[in-house]
Parts: sequence; structure tokens; C-alpha cells
Amino acid sequence: DAKTTQPNSMESNEEEPVHLPCNHSTISGTDYIHWYRQLPSQGPEYVIHGLTSNVNNRMASLAIAEDRKSSTLILHRATLRDAAVYYCILEAGAGSYQLTFGKGTKLSVIP
Amino acid sequence: DSGVTQTPKHLITATGQRVTLRCSPRSGDLSVYWYQQSLDQGLQFLIQYYNGEERAKGNILERFSAQQFPDLHSELNLSSLELGDSALYFCASSEGGGPRGELFFGEGSRLTVL
Repeated sequence: DAKTTQPNSMESNEEEPVHLPCNHSTISGTDYIHWYRQLPSQGPEYVIHGLTSNVNNRMASLAIAEDRKSSTLILHRATLRDAAVYYCILEAGAGSYQLTFGKGTKLSVIP
Repeated sequence: DSGVTQTPKHLITATGQRVTLRCSPRSGDLSVYWYQQSLDQGLQFLIQYYNGEERAKGNILERFSAQQFPDLHSELNLSSLELGDSALYFCASSEGGGPRGELFFGEGSRLTVL
């Protein structure tokens, strides 16, 4: 399975944008990129996913490099509620139905 | 609230015992996934059911089994429990047969084996 590499932790000031990087140099052409986050004492929560093009939704934006070997999750204005562990996950191509969570990035938001 | 309901929220039992964790997926979702989260292993995919049939199997021990019933709720059975089975067990559901889209996770069942 293709793997992802994320920084262990990051800090951001409240109300500033946050860019969470993810490297996935062994990604294959059919692998989707998913982002989930897990707030303390809660189950993981879907954030966004994409294949090749950049994606936007109400929670965040996903910027995917042209060679797809890296991606960045963008939170446009961090709030205290965004403090969580963020997981970048590759969903293997056709026939694979599982998401393999790594260690993720622990995001701290400073008031 | 994700719409996925897991019971019980907390469970304390002894080694060698057997427990059953229950999951009710979101209304309309056909797939149920089970994940285990422990401090040293992170979130591990265990198994997926789609409309009553096993669809994918991950790192599920032979002592563990699961099933999905006709009403689409699912149960995860853990037997011959060991101390190392202490963990948070999450259930997730999705509308389709694969996670290409959004998985909705429950709040988890915390199992403590003494």
C-alpha cells in the first residue's frame, strides 16, 4: 500500500490560515487522497478527498500537486475547534475498500 | 452527531471473557466498517460489511468476528480477551460499498480488559 508522510505536530494562531502538508511519493494513478480529523475523545471526522484536481468544501480546501506526490490541506481560518489530529490517507485503487490511517499531524491552535 | 450509534460506550471486563459491541449505521448506509484504536497502534481497520456480506478484511484477529444483520446493524464479537485488546473500537458507515466518499464514524466503544 502507498504510504503517506506527515509532520507529527503543527501550531497555528487562531483565525489564521493553516497549511497541513502530506507527502505520498509512491501514489498510483488511481489512488484517492482522503483527509480525516479526530478531535479529542471523538471518532474521526471526514474533511475532504480528491483525486487530481484541487477540491473545496465548507470545511477546507485540498491542494494536490501536479505530480500528485504531495498534497496540502488548507484550513482558511483556524478556530479553537480545529485543534485535532489530521490524517492524510491514500485509498488504494479499484477493489480496495479500506482506509489505512497513519499517525497524522496533531494541530494545536493558539488563541 | 454523525448518525452512527455505538453501544456500549464503555465496557470493563476480565481476560478470557467475551464481549459484543454493537453498531447502528446511519439511515440508508449499506456499509459498516470496524476500526480499533489503541495507543501504540493507532487506528487499525478490522473489517467491512456491505449489505450483509463481508467486503474487506484487515488486521482482524481470529478471536474476533463480526456480522451485519438484515436491518444493517452490525456486531463485533471479541472472545478470549487479552490485556492487549484494551482499546477504542470505532464503527463507521458509508452509503456505498467503498470509502470513496465520506465515512461517518461513531463515538466509539472503549473496552478495558483487566
